[in-house]
Amino acid sequence: NAGVTQTPKFQVLKTGQSMTLQCAQDMNHNSMYWYRQDPGMGLRLIYYSASEGTTDKGEVPNGYNVSRLNKREFSLRLESAAPSQTSVYFCASSPLAGDYNEQFFGPGTRLTVL
Amino acid sequence: EDQVTQSPEALRLQEGESSSLNCSYTVSGLRGLFWYRQDPGKGPEFLFTLYSAGEEKEKERLKATLTKKESFLHITAPKPEDSATYLCASPPRSAGGTSYGKLTFGQGTILTVHP
Repeated sequence: NAGVTQTPKFQVLKTGQSMTLQCAQDMNHNSMYWYRQDPGMGLRLIYYSASEGTTDKGEVPNGYNVSRLNKREFSLRLESAAPSQTSVYFCASSPLAGDYNEQFFGPGTRLTVL
Repeated sequence: EDQVTQSPEALRLQEGESSSLNCSYTVSGLRGLFWYRQDPGKGPEFLFTLYSAGEEKEKERLKATLTKKESFLHITAPKPEDSATYLCASPPRSAGGTSYGKLTFGQGTILTVHP
């Protein structure tokens, strides 16, 4: 049982390049989330998917798109990377999209945009 | 605006020196308070969910408590392996009655326990 896995672990992009961050969970969870973590800013929600087939914006969605490919996988795409998107990105999953359901996090992707 | 504020930003303790971390929130109609532990270079690891004021939960040397305005994470006789960043989080207020699992995180307290 791997839990939440993310690929790649590290990535360096040039301004304007695009890339997709991959996330998969094997816990049969319904809900999945993408966060970014920046020094002094804490974890901020980018997008979430309450259930398969649905996605919605979080606190900081600009410059990102997501795809809930199936129940297991939730990808985050940067269409035209900017230096402001340099951050650590975490994917998380939860059994249900409820107020009291804990989220389980992946190991993160460390992205640098030059 | 919903806010979750943690203090102190950093805390250095000697092994065995007990202390507490604070998490205060301005979210009205609190619907759960979560504590996570994050080790350097890793994702947050779930510790506790507190559902209502007055509730307490324990795990090894950690004890989390919740009042109407704040939560405390008490660390009793800490060991060097307790060194980590501790995060608290709460669902933001929602007009629809549920936050759909969205969380507002505090900035964390960096705990260092020296042997």
